[in-house]
Formats: sequence, structure tokens, C-alpha cells
Amino acid sequence: GIQVEQSPPDLILQEGANSTLRCNFSDSVNNLQWFHQNPWGQLINLFYIPSGTKQNGRLSATTVATERYSLLYISSSQTTDSGVYFCAVKAGGADGLTFGKGTHLIIQP
Amino acid sequence: DARVTQTPRHKVTEMGQEVTMRCQPILGHNTVFWYRQTMMQGLELLAYFRNRAPLDDSGMPKDRFSAEMPDATLATLKIQPSEPRDSAVYFCASGLVYEQFFGPGTRLTVL
Repeated sequence: GIQVEQSPPDLILQEGANSTLRCNFSDSVNNLQWFHQNPWGQLINLFYIPSGTKQNGRLSATTVATERYSLLYISSSQTTDSGVYFCAVKAGGADGLTFGKGTHLIIQP
Repeated sequence: DARVTQTPRHKVTEMGQEVTMRCQPILGHNTVFWYRQTMMQGLELLAYFRNRAPLDDSGMPKDRFSAEMPDATLATLKIQPSEPRDSAVYFCASGLVYEQFFGPGTRLTVL
């Protein structure tokens, strides 16, 4: 099946810093989503972005489907941005999402 | 504010007991998924339905797990008998075309 690799696995930043999270995938995809899992365990939809660029406030994402990667940008980090960020993809005829192992982000005040 | 709901949010049970988890998908969504999250395996797909018909349950241990969708507003995941290795967070998600939306999860602990 498709492989999804996220980097870095862990990231510790000071409040106000910017960060870039990367997701590489091993095959063509027709769905790519970024999620934030907050400290209470809830999976929050950030972006549905199989290709192109989207922005939502301090967050933006870019997927280059032809090169099989996606980037999530977080600017002016806040402590509430802490948690695990997952990239998940859907490939081929399957409907379920395949998740990466996530990037664990800690924003220190 | 449309969202996926799951009950119970937490469940502690003893090995051998039956466990039933419930999910109410977002109204109008025709595809419902069950995922499991563990420290070792991460998030993995167990089963999913479209228009209430089961399409894929290959991720589920068939001997003890069963998933059903008795109507469009209710999906269930049952474990019988439960084992300690089933301890995990079980998420339900629903979608219409591509994007999936997740419920808050059921945290299951089997002693």
C-alpha cells in the first residue's frame, strides 16, 4: 500500500516562531488532508488539499502532487498550536485514509 | 454546527466482556469509517460503509470485531470477546465525497 512519511517527528519551538512540516507519499493520491490532534485527542481538520495551495489564518498548506509531497506552514506559533499534526492520504480505489506517524509539535511560552 | 458524535467517550472493561461503540455521522454524509489509534500502530482503518453497505472490513480482526450500520444515523462497532490488546482510541469518521471528518473518539481500556 501507499507509504506516508512525515518530518520532523518532533519539533519544539518558542511562541512566535514559524515552522514547516513535511509529508512525503509514495504514490499518486486523490485526497490529502492535514489534521491537528489536540492534547485532548480530538482530530481537527486543517486542510483538504490534494493539490495546490490554501491558507487559513496563520496556517497554510501546499501540495505538489507531481512530486508527491505536501507542506504545512504555521506562522507566529501560539501555545494552542501544540499537539500532533497528521498528514493522511487516499490513493487509488480505496476510500480509507492512510496516515503518517505525525509531527509532535510543542510550542513553549 | 454539524459534527460526528461518538458514545461512550471512555470505556473500561474486563477481558472477555462485550463492548459496543456507537457513532452518529454528519447528516447527509453517505460514507462512514472506523479507525483505531494505538501508540504502536498509529491510526489505521478498520472498516467503512457507503450508503450503509459495508465496503471494506479488511483492517478488522474478523473473529471478534463486527461493524454494522442499522440506519443512516447510526454506525456500531462491536468487540466480543474483548482482549487487552484491543485497548486503543476508536474513531468514527464520515464524509460525502473526499474529505473526512472525525468524531471525538472512544477511549477503550480492556483490563
